[in-house]
Amino acid sequence: EAQVTQNPRYLITVTGKKLTVTCSQNMNHEYMSWYRQDPGLGLRQIYYSMNVEVTDKGDVPEGYKVSRKEKRNFPLILESPSPNQTSLYFCASSLRYSGNTIYFGEGSWLTVV
Amino acid sequence: AQKITQTQPGMFVQEKEAVTLDCTYDTSDPSYGLFWYKQPSSGEMIFLIYQGSYDQQNATEGRYSLNFQKARKSANLVISASQLGDSAMYFCAMREEMYSGGGADGLTFGKGTHLIIQP
Repeated sequence: EAQVTQNPRYLITVTGKKLTVTCSQNMNHEYMSWYRQDPGLGLRQIYYSMNVEVTDKGDVPEGYKVSRKEKRNFPLILESPSPNQTSLYFCASSLRYSGNTIYFGEGSWLTVV
Repeated sequence: AQKITQTQPGMFVQEKEAVTLDCTYDTSDPSYGLFWYKQPSSGEMIFLIYQGSYDQQNATEGRYSLNFQKARKSANLVISASQLGDSAMYFCAMREEMYSGGGADGLTFGKGTHLIIQP
């Protein structure tokens, strides 16, 4: 079954404690990206990756890091989380060209206190 | 300037009525795709329908259809015969450079429309 898997799905953490949200896809997609969703703002892209070892900033990259060492994995790293990073996070993947089918993970609800 | 504009923050509609959710977009790229997603209260993003910029016909998927007016840069979602289960947030999104240059870009989302279907 084609899927994008995110973990954890729910997390409450404290300010400054490093955390990683993992994302894995099983479709051999080149393109992967992270979005955050905040009330009244829709979804905004944080980082994206066109392929292994190729990553770039999206619209709201501050406070986040990513890596793409393997094609299937694209973890999102919060080195020092702050309360303004409390949000719903989505990972997505697709083909790089003809990307009209985009697969989303189920979302990760993150609360930073 | 916003790339995707959804002008209806919330809508109340009677069950079984047709619903039109508005979406206008802004791009200078000739190659782009338009998407609609549904997000129920549980949070997952459910893909509804897709329209490519080169598609000649309006996309349809069951009760969903996309009213694509390219000259007006409009991509409204029409839900026929609404049901209580249609109550959710709906997002319009665009993806540019679908087949050109470095490949497809990320999705740009509108701020969403909260649709409530009343019995």
